[in-house]
Amino acid sequence: GESVGLHLPTLSVQEGDNSIINCAYSNSASDYFIWYKQESGKGPQFIIDIRSNMDKRQGQRVTVLLNKTVKHLSLQIAATQPGDSAVYFCAENSYGNNRLAFGKGNQVVVIP
Amino acid sequence: EAGVAQSPRYKIIEKRQSVAFWCNPISGHATLYWYQQILGQGPKLLIQFQNNGVVDDSQLPKDRFSAERLKGVDSTLKIQPAKLEDSAVYLCASSLGLAAATDTQYFGPGTRLTVL
Repeated sequence: GESVGLHLPTLSVQEGDNSIINCAYSNSASDYFIWYKQESGKGPQFIIDIRSNMDKRQGQRVTVLLNKTVKHLSLQIAATQPGDSAVYFCAENSYGNNRLAFGKGNQVVVIP
Repeated sequence: EAGVAQSPRYKIIEKRQSVAFWCNPISGHATLYWYQQILGQGPKLLIQFQNNGVVDDSQLPKDRFSAERLKGVDSTLKIQPAKLEDSAVYLCASSLGLAAATDTQYFGPGTRLTVL
């Protein structure tokens, strides 16, 4: 469940199950969104991106869904594996603004 | 392909001391970014270079932070003097083109700074 302070919202998932990570964004002008994965002691790693003219995009075992009406982004991971344990960040970029704004991270813990 | 390199990986200093971080981006990448990541938060952009020119430094605390990218390749980020609240991981990233909006940013492992 969600915690306060420095603790990140944590999703515990059984290996092999599907994971869904959610992200709310605030800037209605944002037109490009990215999901990053960050493992302990490493920098963020690009997973998948989506432009605002799409509502769904699929990659290998991952799907990103964008709902512009409610300014919500989600990342679905199919058949979650132990290597998927990490903190996941969404990031948004507004047209004409070259700055990526990262959201709060979500910790995913995969239970073998 | 070699990734973004950063050094040192860890640094511990006392407040009011100075510190410098080094970044070597992926070869050929025109754009370089420095981010600050405080524990439990997402990275926050400090400064963005395109080649050796500054594109965005609006979130850089210029009274104590400085950065340069000589010759449009390697970059250094300096903090002088450091404060306790500067304790964070400093991430360097690079992207191939000049349009940061859609260019994938590749991150280095970061430098973990602890200010005592």
